[in-house]
Amino acid sequence: NAGVTQTPKFRILKIGQSMTLQCAQDMNHNYMYWYRQDPGMGLKLIYYSVGAGITDKGEVPNGYNVSRSTTEDFPLRLELAAPSQTSVYFCASSDNRVNEQYFGPGTRLTVT
Amino acid sequence: GQNIDQPTEMTATEGAIVQINCTYQTSGFNGLFWYQQHAGEAPTFLSYNVLDGLEEKGRFSSFLSRSKGYSYLLLKELQMKDSASYLCATYNDYKLSFGAGTTVTVRA
Repeated sequence: NAGVTQTPKFRILKIGQSMTLQCAQDMNHNYMYWYRQDPGMGLKLIYYSVGAGITDKGEVPNGYNVSRSTTEDFPLRLELAAPSQTSVYFCASSDNRVNEQYFGPGTRLTVT
Repeated sequence: GQNIDQPTEMTATEGAIVQINCTYQTSGFNGLFWYQQHAGEAPTFLSYNVLDGLEEKGRFSSFLSRSKGYSYLLLKELQMKDSASYLCATYNDYKLSFGAGTTVTVRA
């Protein structure tokens, strides 16, 4: 199993551009999550999904959108990039709501 | 909301023991996780406590007191590879809320 994969690994965006961060898992997990991690800070939950077709907002959803059309994929969309969205983005999945989350390697995004 | 506090940094010597404390105040609580995160890498799972008491897993142990809103992670026989950030996270209603993490530096 590849586990949780994320693309791209690095990206530089200009203010106002848009992009989609890709996340996929091959463990047949129902639960998937997007976090952002700023330097010296803990991970903040952006959006999560408890199954295909079901998504919900986390702690910091503004400026982002998600979709979950399949169990495997959970892309995160930035519509109008802002410098405040410069961060490291992690995707995670779990097979049960009380089990450990498996994290992808992260996407390092810079908005200038 | 969630308020989770843990020390910013700790330093210890190879072979020693270090205890990382975590206190939390939450509006809902189903359990507490500890994750390890090496610099530039993704977090990896260490432990999960849902009941009061000590859970031991090799060199790592985790303790939880729900009534006191308190947990600690104990790292024994420290090795250089244990230099990392340790994240305390409370679990409630499908979601994890993370503390800012404690950076542990192991010195030879």
